[in-house]
Amino acid sequence: QKEVEQNSGPLSVPEGAIASLNCTYSDRGSQSFFWYRQYSGKSPELIMSIYSNGDKEDGRFTAQLNKASQYVSLLIRDSQPSDSATYLCAVIRGSTLGRLYFGRGTQLTVWP
Amino acid sequence: GAVVSQHPSWVICKSGTSVKIECRSLDFQATTMFWYRQFPKQSLMLMATSNEGSKATYEQGVEKDKFLINHASLTLSTLTVTSAHPEDSSFYICSARATDGLAFFGQGTRLTVV
Repeated sequence: QKEVEQNSGPLSVPEGAIASLNCTYSDRGSQSFFWYRQYSGKSPELIMSIYSNGDKEDGRFTAQLNKASQYVSLLIRDSQPSDSATYLCAVIRGSTLGRLYFGRGTQLTVWP
Repeated sequence: GAVVSQHPSWVICKSGTSVKIECRSLDFQATTMFWYRQFPKQSLMLMATSNEGSKATYEQGVEKDKFLINHASLTLSTLTVTSAHPEDSSFYICSARATDGLAFFGQGTRLTVV
């Protein structure tokens, strides 16, 4: 079983819709969770971090964490074509100095 | 977010030569730096993890004598691709992480070996 799993997609939503991206992780001791966005040909950009169960909102983005289910998600409200990118879920095992594991990424396309 | 500067952003070199890529954290001290490689339409592949002042830890299958990593200070790490060959052509990306666990990526270096 991989450390971090994501649906590779592609996920396609119309402009203005909510895009829902999901991620599961295998290590129950994981404490830190991140979402990165990667545009084609560019390096990943950190968009959200979450450490506690529940929701964390930042603008149009909401990260949701459920440690009991070992599940973390990212919701993008009012999706825009500029949100079209690959979204990477990342998890740190143990302390903040632990190894960072990435999922394979979910490709999102927002069509006008 | 914090700034990580990677240089050069692209490089073309002849087969058999060596190429050095620099990664600097500009506004924070990076306890750990990571080097990744990414082929087109594929996921990030971790090559090695380095901590300041100590030897890098390489992932299985990554040749440490070919990919030399130096982490001389809390703000600078370098990756040298020695005796480069066309199959080494790829997108190389560094990431710097501070003590709070947040990791930020450099802009990436597109290496083409001809």
